[in-house]
Amino acid sequence: DIQMTQSPSSLSASVGDRVTITCRASQSIRNYLNWYQQKLGKAPKLLIYAASTVQSGVPSRFSGSGSGTDFTLTISSLQPEDFATYYCQQSYGVWWTFGQGTKVEIK
Amino acid sequence: QLQLQESGPGLVRPSGTLSLTCAISNSSIGSGNWWSWVRQPPGKGLEWIGDIFHTGSTNYNPSLNGRVVLSVDKSKNQFSLNLTSLTAADTAVYFCARRRVQRKIPCMDVWGQGTMVTVSS
Repeated sequence: DIQMTQSPSSLSASVGDRVTITCRASQSIRNYLNWYQQKLGKAPKLLIYAASTVQSGVPSRFSGSGSGTDFTLTISSLQPEDFATYYCQQSYGVWWTFGQGTKVEIK
Repeated sequence: QLQLQESGPGLVRPSGTLSLTCAISNSSIGSGNWWSWVRQPPGKGLEWIGDIFHTGSTNYNPSLNGRVVLSVDKSKNQFSLNLTSLTAADTAVYFCARRRVQRKIPCMDVWGQGTMVTVSS
């Protein structure tokens, strides 16, 4: 199966900071990469699909990039409602896998 | 707009079988999408369980070693998960979701709220 590795596992940041989360696949997945945001006690929410396309209704401060094995999620100016855990997920293979998650906390 | 709602027992016995249902509202199970299950053990990350098409075609996570079966009930507009030979490691929040293809890339764009299942005697 395809392993997904995120870094860092957690980070502390302040409102207004630029935040970058990386995700690496164990083999090329082209652009079959999605990003989700999950707040405590809630279901995941799709943020980005196809590595770089922002889901309808998601603020433009969220962006994604990458292809092949290396991907990035960027929040251009962190807002209070962005403190959450973020997961990457590959949909290239028949069975899908998630990264272990990156928890974004308030500094 | 599409809504998904999971239902099932909150507590199941070890070695038993878990049965969960996901009811679909404001859309049809035969709408051309696949339908997925994902779980999350307490304090841990997300694990994809599998997905199903309205025709009954399925994909499963091989790490579950054949313990999972997904099914659809078109008359009730819902799909279900059966997980057998339960252990404490199956304790988790179980989510259902719609798998949709956008720009040729599959993703899960609508999720249920999740249901907590505890495996314990």
